[in-house]
Amino acid sequence: NAGVTQTPKFQVLKTGQSMTLQCAQDMNHNSMYWYRQDPGMGLRLIYYSASEGTTDKGEVPNGYNVSRLNKREFSLRLESAAPSQTSVYFCASGPTGSQEKLFFGSGTQLSVL
Amino acid sequence: DAKTTQPPSMDCAEGRAANLPCNHSTISGNEYVYWYRQIHSQGPQYIIHGLKNNETNEMASLIITEDRKSSTLILPHATLRDTAVYYCIVRVAGVDRGSTLGRLYFGRGTQLTVWP
Repeated sequence: NAGVTQTPKFQVLKTGQSMTLQCAQDMNHNSMYWYRQDPGMGLRLIYYSASEGTTDKGEVPNGYNVSRLNKREFSLRLESAAPSQTSVYFCASGPTGSQEKLFFGSGTQLSVL
Repeated sequence: DAKTTQPPSMDCAEGRAANLPCNHSTISGNEYVYWYRQIHSQGPQYIIHGLKNNETNEMASLIITEDRKSSTLILPHATLRDTAVYYCIVRVAGVDRGSTLGRLYFGRGTQLTVWP
């Protein structure tokens, strides 16, 4: 019962470096999401994918790209990391029409120096 | 989506009921009330949701006032493991809502501390 798995758990980057955060779910969910959480704040939606082959921007998409590789996997890429992207990133998934019952991964702590 | 107001923090003794209030005075007729919680350094966890009737599951009970302008999440016998930030979210539910799908606004929630 893995649920939503994110890798890596921790990452330190230098400004300008690139990296990809990986997310996979084993619950056969159609929808997948990437959120970021900054200290003392709630979660903000970066990108989401309502189904395999589709992606759409959320509230804070600038500086990020995503790929819905297949139904299980949804990756988040930082092409040129900036200190403002220091945050905790959460991936989530949910079945279509689930009335917002989302399942979250354990998060990736990213620091950009 | 309607906004919610929650107290920033609450305390509760272990074994007692924890009652977490949420105000959503601008809620629309088709908006559900959802509760999630986030234990330190973990991803948010779904707890319960409801439209207008009171709901109960293995984790908690949700009491929604008759005018639906406020609700209370009840943890009947709080344990130390219930210490977390609790988020009350009001959201239209449904299939294929286009660009609003998944846009849960978590706000800052209520930090519940359960003490021994």
